[in-house]
Amino acid sequence: DAGITQSPRHKVTETGTPVTLRCHQTENHRYMYWYRQDPGHGLRLIHYSYGVKDTDKGEVSDGYSVSRSKTEDFLLTLESATSSQTSVYFCAIKKDRTNYGYTFGSGTRLTVV
Amino acid sequence: GDSVTQMEGPVTLSEEAFLTINCTYTATGYPSLFWYVQYPGEGLQLLLKATKADDKGSNKGFEATYRKETTSFHLEKGSVQVSDSAVYFCALTPPGNTPLVFGKGTRLSVIA
Repeated sequence: DAGITQSPRHKVTETGTPVTLRCHQTENHRYMYWYRQDPGHGLRLIHYSYGVKDTDKGEVSDGYSVSRSKTEDFLLTLESATSSQTSVYFCAIKKDRTNYGYTFGSGTRLTVV
Repeated sequence: GDSVTQMEGPVTLSEEAFLTINCTYTATGYPSLFWYVQYPGEGLQLLLKATKADDKGSNKGFEATYRKETTSFHLEKGSVQVSDSAVYFCALTPPGNTPLVFGKGTRLSVIA
């Protein structure tokens, strides 16, 4: 299966600090996504990327930025963390030239105190 | 915009019971439809998919049929096991590369 790893797996941070989450893939697929999972909301799209330096916003992008300087890495940055950003963050990739849905990472549990 | 509505949980069943989790969608065009499963502490895994009307997706004893006339994609399993306890997500993606849209998830607990 496509290798996709997220780091860190767990993080506790203080309100107002910047935080960067990393998603790394080993197969050079074009499309990568960041979702957040919250009780009662399911998964909501934050940002996605369709190539190096090509990104677009999702439905809950406020307070988040992303960067993709290499095909294999997609970084999510919380510019100034707030308690409302306490969540589980999932990265996903879509394998090129398929309609097989997405492959998800194992998630990052972020707590903002 | 496109959206997915799935039945509220949690759902609690005894082992070997029949499972149905309802999912309906709103979309322009002809989306592809998916069911994902999330086991405790893990990411989401693709369970099954269907890409056009009347297609039936199946995997691990689970089935779902793409019903365009009722805009539905209900998940069914004839006999659930304790190991099926998880959260199930219905999702859709329109044609092209528009990102997946998820329902809110349904938690299933199967008791022995």
